[in-house]
Amino acid sequence: IAGITQAPTSQILAAGRRMTLRCTQDMRHNAMYWYRQDLGLGLRLIHYSNTAGTTGKGEVPDGYSVSRANTDDFPLTLASAVPSQTSVYFCASSKGQGGTDTQYFGPGTRLTVL
Amino acid sequence: AQSVAQPEDQVNVAEGNPLTVKCTYSVSGNPYLFWYVQYPNRGLQFLLKYITGDNLVKGSYGFEAEFNKSQTSFHLKKPSALVSDSALYFCAVRDQTGANNLFFGTGTRLTVIP
Repeated sequence: IAGITQAPTSQILAAGRRMTLRCTQDMRHNAMYWYRQDLGLGLRLIHYSNTAGTTGKGEVPDGYSVSRANTDDFPLTLASAVPSQTSVYFCASSKGQGGTDTQYFGPGTRLTVL
Repeated sequence: AQSVAQPEDQVNVAEGNPLTVKCTYSVSGNPYLFWYVQYPNRGLQFLLKYITGDNLVKGSYGFEAEFNKSQTSFHLKKPSALVSDSALYFCAVRDQTGANNLFFGTGTRLTVIP
């Protein structure tokens, strides 16, 4: 079934550790996104990529980095995790980067930083 | 600046009754508006979107939404609620610049009472 997969499903991480959240889509979508979901705040954009080889910063990029080596994969890295990065992380993709393009979401990764 | 407001954190409705989940928006220029639903421990699922044209948009699972430009609203509706509609609902907006950021509301939890 076509869609977006994320790994791991959940993770408990010690503060200061490095962590990479994986995201893969098989829809050949050009654009991909990383959001974090926090209670009472909705979803906020961390980083995005309009096409392979390009990335951009979203609303809350500090402490996170991304890469887009190919169309399908868009990993999110926390270089040195802090407790405020405890959240649920969602990867999304869309066919294009235009305002009318629908974003489709993965199942999420629940990250706890202690 | 773009923003979305969902004024109700919680909406309760009896099964079989009509439901409305409210959303108001603020953008410069014409908006692109989206509704998503999130079931427990799942990612967001796309329900419907308004781009242009008919103010009444029909989407998945019998949901529809009405775009009202004068009131800057995009309320989600369903004529007859099902217990299985119980979930968290998010409204989101983008503007015509096609900026990558999809701005989400804080979500409304819908509970359908049998």
